[in-house]
Amino acid sequence: GDSVTQMEGPVTLSEEAFLTINCTYTATGYPSLFWYVQYPGEGLQLLLKATKADDKGSNKGFEATYRKETTSFHLEKGSVQVSDSAVYFCALANYGGSQGNLIFGKGTKLSVKP
Amino acid sequence: NAGVTQTPKFRILKIGQSMTLQCAQDMNHNYMYWYRQDPGMGLKLIYYSVGAGITDKGEVPNGYNVSRSTTEDFPLRLELAAPSQTSVYFCASSRTANTGELFFGEGSRLTVL
Repeated sequence: GDSVTQMEGPVTLSEEAFLTINCTYTATGYPSLFWYVQYPGEGLQLLLKATKADDKGSNKGFEATYRKETTSFHLEKGSVQVSDSAVYFCALANYGGSQGNLIFGKGTKLSVKP
Repeated sequence: NAGVTQTPKFRILKIGQSMTLQCAQDMNHNYMYWYRQDPGMGLKLIYYSVGAGITDKGEVPNGYNVSRSTTEDFPLRLELAAPSQTSVYFCASSRTANTGELFFGEGSRLTVL
């Protein structure tokens, strides 16, 4: 079945460092890909998405490019801030076989130190 | 904007007790979902609904029941609570099935002792 694999955390960075969180997927057909973020004590919220190959999603300085040839959707940010400390979830939706249900990775916890 | 509201935020149950987690959304979304989040395991879908009166099982439905009598409300019922149901539960909603944009509540932390 469809699945998402994320790099293991936690990830600890200093403020202004470059961030990469790796995400790869397995799916039939042409899924849509998402990054969700969960700040401490809150529910998840959509950070960015891409719906077809070579699309780049971006929001709040974060970017991710849908790479079909490598089945990847890595999250990047050029300069992280303390306020970016959160858990980041990669997810996919394969609308051909589901009611829009998302399949989530296990999450990667990011801690940014001042 | 209230969005998705879950109650209670915290609850401790004894083994064998029952309870209902409440979820309400004010965005007139047709689609609603219940997920559980276990440490280091991501989110697993328990049940979902595509509209009032229509529900279906997700990946991990055993030990749970749902109902959807109105568009706004999607309660999750736990019968005969077990320690394996200790988790954080998230309710979510979406306008359609094809955007992948889910709106989540703040979660309900349940401990079964």
